[in-house]
Amino acid sequence: DGGITQSPKYLFRKEGQNVTLSCEQNLNHDAMYWYRQDPGQGLRLIYYSQIVNDFQKGDIAEGYSVSREKKESFPLTVTSAQKNPTAFYLCASSDTGSWSVTEAFFGQGTRLTVV
Amino acid sequence: GENVEQHPSTLSVQEGDSAVIKCTYSDSASNYFPWYKQELGKRPQLIIDIRSNVGEKKDQRIAVTLNKTAKHFSLHITETQPEDSAVYFCAAKKGPLGDKIIFGKGTRLHILP
Repeated sequence: DGGITQSPKYLFRKEGQNVTLSCEQNLNHDAMYWYRQDPGQGLRLIYYSQIVNDFQKGDIAEGYSVSREKKESFPLTVTSAQKNPTAFYLCASSDTGSWSVTEAFFGQGTRLTVV
Repeated sequence: GENVEQHPSTLSVQEGDSAVIKCTYSDSASNYFPWYKQELGKRPQLIIDIRSNVGEKKDQRIAVTLNKTAKHFSLHITETQPEDSAVYFCAAKKGPLGDKIIFGKGTRLHILP
């Protein structure tokens, strides 16, 4: 179903804890993205990676960290420094190497709630 | 940096009428403009896209137009149906060799019976 999988679907975090959201794709895409979705805010870019072992900050990177050790995996860690982490998180991937294939495919999302 | 503005934020149309959603972008180097539809509780999915070398593209009831000079592009849905109710996002990207995809804030489309 789209070839990109996020887990878990729902995640609860206590204040002060770090949590890691998983994103795996089997589409052989070079680029991967993390977006945060809040009501009325659309999709805001947290981090993106164009290639293994490289990533760039998006518009709202503070309080988040990522790694890209493998092409198929792009985990997002929500740290205790993120003051308002409750949101819906979407991971996406796209093929940046081909002009004809630049569509971004999204995972099903992870809903994170701070308790 | 690149910015994408989307209007309106909410749109209600009578079933059978047309709906138009408009977006503007700031970076003239952007050359790929996709539109995504997100139904409640689901992931965004691509419905149509357009590249900068094309002015208009149509797929059944959905069409997208691009005005590069004015840096704006629009989504047109004709003969709207209840299943068109969703949130629609426009986006812009410089491609193919990189850079991020920037999304608008979304338009919630309500199809009224």
